[in-house]
Amino acid sequence: AQSVTQLDSQVPVFEEAPVELRCNYSSSVSVYLFWYVQYPNQGLQLLLKYLSGSTLVKGINGFEAEFNKSQTSFHLRKPSVHISDTAEYFCAVSDRGRDDKIIFGKGTRLHILP
Amino acid sequence: DAGVIQSPRHEVTEMGQEVTLRCKPISGHDYLFWYRQTMMRGLELLIYFNNNVPIDDSGMPEDRFSAKMPNASFSTLKIQPSEPRDSAVYFCASSISGGKAFFGQGTRLTVV
Repeated sequence: AQSVTQLDSQVPVFEEAPVELRCNYSSSVSVYLFWYVQYPNQGLQLLLKYLSGSTLVKGINGFEAEFNKSQTSFHLRKPSVHISDTAEYFCAVSDRGRDDKIIFGKGTRLHILP
Repeated sequence: DAGVIQSPRHEVTEMGQEVTLRCKPISGHDYLFWYRQTMMRGLELLIYFNNNVPIDDSGMPEDRFSAKMPNASFSTLKIQPSEPRDSAVYFCASSISGGKAFFGQGTRLTVV
């Protein structure tokens, strides 16, 4: 069965510092991978997605993520964060070609410190 | 708490029929979100409510879709008439103001 693990429930980072939000998944088949962001009191927005091709995926707002099949990871990175990046970030996976169902991680709260 | 509860888990219907999806948010949560998910497009926000009032329905694809929240513990998403391209998994989520969203298990809709 699929599962998604976001290892950190909260990540505090100083403004302009780099950040990495970790995500690992388990699945017996090939997958699609997603990162979503939820700003306070808003719905989820898609940051980026990996469907196929290059393992380095660039998304909106300067975020990128790298798909590592051997480590079953899809960590999210940004080289320099801003106060406006304060939000909840969700990693998600769906089975390629089998199922439209998406499984979400529990989320990581990114706190930007001034 | 049992979490966000969606029903039915699976729905198969014929084109042209009305479909109603149901959601019970977590007690005490004042935000409720409806999403549609397909393999290629990922998750799309359809509409969300705050204190039972629709705040943003710009994601609703067309007039065939409507959503209501008659009270704090219940919401419906209705498609009338349904079309095959509406086939997807529909998620409901709820949150407390400023907090993270908790998702239901989803309803898989197949329109044939």
